[in-house]
This record gives sequence, C-alpha cells and structure tokens, in this order.
Amino acid sequence: KQEVTQIPAALSVPEGENLVLNCSFTDSAIYNLQWFRQDPGKGLTSLLLIQSSQREQTSGRLNASLDKSSGRSTLYIAASQPGDSATYLCAVRRTQTGANNLFFGTGTRLTVIP
Amino acid sequence: NAGVMQNPRHLVRRRGQEARLRCSPMKGHSHVYWYRQLPEEGLKFMVYLQKENIIDESGMPKERFSAEFPKEGPSILRIQQVVRGDSAAYFCASSPGGAHQPQHFGDGTRLSIL
Repeated sequence: KQEVTQIPAALSVPEGENLVLNCSFTDSAIYNLQWFRQDPGKGLTSLLLIQSSQREQTSGRLNASLDKSSGRSTLYIAASQPGDSATYLCAVRRTQTGANNLFFGTGTRLTVIP
Repeated sequence: NAGVMQNPRHLVRRRGQEARLRCSPMKGHSHVYWYRQLPEEGLKFMVYLQKENIIDESGMPKERFSAEFPKEGPSILRIQQVVRGDSAAYFCASSPGGAHQPQHFGDGTRLSIL
C-alpha cells in the first residue's frame, strides 16, 4: 500500500530565505510525482510534475527533485516571499494499469514572515 | 480558458438529505477524478471517470455514494442520506488523459451536515 509522508508538517521562515520541503513514499513503483500548493479555503494549484524517468523539474523559483529508488522528493523554494505562504502537497501516481489516481501526503504548512 | 469548475462552493444539508456536487472539467479534458479531504486529513481518492464510464471507484464508499460523467454536462457526485461524517471538502480534478498528464483541480465543494 502506498503511503506518502511530508516532513515537516509546518515551517516558518523569514522572507528571502531558501527552503526545502520533503516528501517520501513507501512504494517506489510510481508513474510520476506532482507538487501542489493549497491556499486556505481554495483548491489545489499544480506547481510541478516530475515523470518517473526524470530527476528534477524547475519553474521560476521552484525546483523539484525526484529519487525514485529511495522514495524521496524535495521541493526547493528560492528567495521565499510572503506570497509563498500556503500548504504544499506532494502526490504520487501509481504505475498499475488503470490506477490513475493520486496518493497525497498531508502537506507542509509554510509561513513566510515579512 | 476556464479551469475546473465546481458548484456549489458551499453546501449545507441536514442528516438524511441528498447532496449533489457538480464538476465541469477543463475544456478538452475527458478524465475526471473526485477526491475527499476530511478535516485535518489529506486528500483521498474516491472515483475516476471518463465520459459515460466509471474506470475506478475503489476509493468510494460502497453505500450511499455514486458518481457519473454523462456524455453531455458535468460530472455529478451524489451522496444519499447524508450523515455527519460526510462533512468534508470534495475536490474534482480533470486531465486530458494518460497517466503522464497532470491533474488540474477545482476549488472544491465544502459540504456541511447539520
């Protein structure tokens, strides 16, 4: 059974700091991994998608890495801003045929202090 | 290009009533997924549909819950005889198809049971 864990559950950093969010998964047989942000009372915004054959993806100040064999992914946020405050979720997709659903971690709640 | 549209945003029902949640996928997307987020928990997969077909309903409770995605119109998640434990945020996601494609989420429907 696939389990996804995100550590830490909450993180506060001063504005301008670089930070890393961690995601681990128990079953390395994944198809891809997706990082999202969720603002309070809102839906999920897709940030980055990494296919299982890839090592990392970059978008602006965000960089996500994937080490499938060890069951880990990190989301690196450079030069953090107050607008980055949100809950960050990682989700993995299994390789099993027909199993297109995502398994989610419980998220890291990030607060960037001005 | 409109994103995934869910309505209503908030829904209040009394125990024993029926709840109907609607989801219109992004234009060009034929795959729809429903997830549930219970208070203080992560998102859990419920059901995966393509037009007129249920592909995977392994995450959906066996009783009182049903889902459809007709040829015309939005996808509907229906909960009959609601109970307090059904109170949650229900999110819909869509993708154009294929496990390698990212899922895009709506803002969710917050269901409260009195």
